[in-house]
Amino acid sequence: ETGVTQTPRHLVMGMTNKKSLKCEQHLGHNAMYWYKQSAKKPLELMFVYSLEERVENNSVPSRFSPECPNSSHLFLHLHTLQPEDSALYLCASSQDSDRYRSSYNEQFFGPGTRLTVL
Amino acid sequence: DQQVKQNSPSLSVQEGRISILNCDYTNSMFDYFLWYKKYPAEGPTFLISISSIKDKNEDGRFTVFLNKSAKHLSLHIVPSQPGDSAVYFCAACMDSNYQLIWGAGTKLIIKP
Repeated sequence: ETGVTQTPRHLVMGMTNKKSLKCEQHLGHNAMYWYKQSAKKPLELMFVYSLEERVENNSVPSRFSPECPNSSHLFLHLHTLQPEDSALYLCASSQDSDRYRSSYNEQFFGPGTRLTVL
Repeated sequence: DQQVKQNSPSLSVQEGRISILNCDYTNSMFDYFLWYKKYPAEGPTFLISISSIKDKNEDGRFTVFLNKSAKHLSLHIVPSQPGDSAVYFCAACMDSNYQLIWGAGTKLIIKP
């Protein structure tokens, strides 16, 4: 495997289900991100992990719970989601050479998980 | 309120001609601007960037122009090729912040 991989690629779940999205990066990067992309809207940053520590949380509802067990893996745990949470969830990684210059560093994206909440 | 705007949802250009994708922003504190390209069923891939201290950056067929007074940047692709058909996202960030602020994207269609 190369680059950034995400599983599953497609997920359909009911509002009472619990599921998890998985992301793995094979680039040796030290920062990972979760984004949400709704139709015809800009990408929204949900979570950032740098050196396995969460450094940014943009007021995402608690029904989304991230987990970063190591620098190569990132999970997004989902529970009691709403239909409006249906979207493409993208994972990305980058190499932080300086904590405050992370945004300058190119972010490498996975293919995304297309989530549908019924 | 969107800080980064791409006002054209789609653009159709003849193969071989120039494609010009536009992006406007409202925050004068942005230090860096980036363009990403996205094919269906794939994640965005980085294309080209420009620092706020420059007004032009060129990489092969791709050139980004920055007009700070107008808070406007544009991506020029010349000549346009069929493989350029994709959604193009403009993004911006500040020196002290992790967060990339994204536009909604412009779908570019290159006609043969």
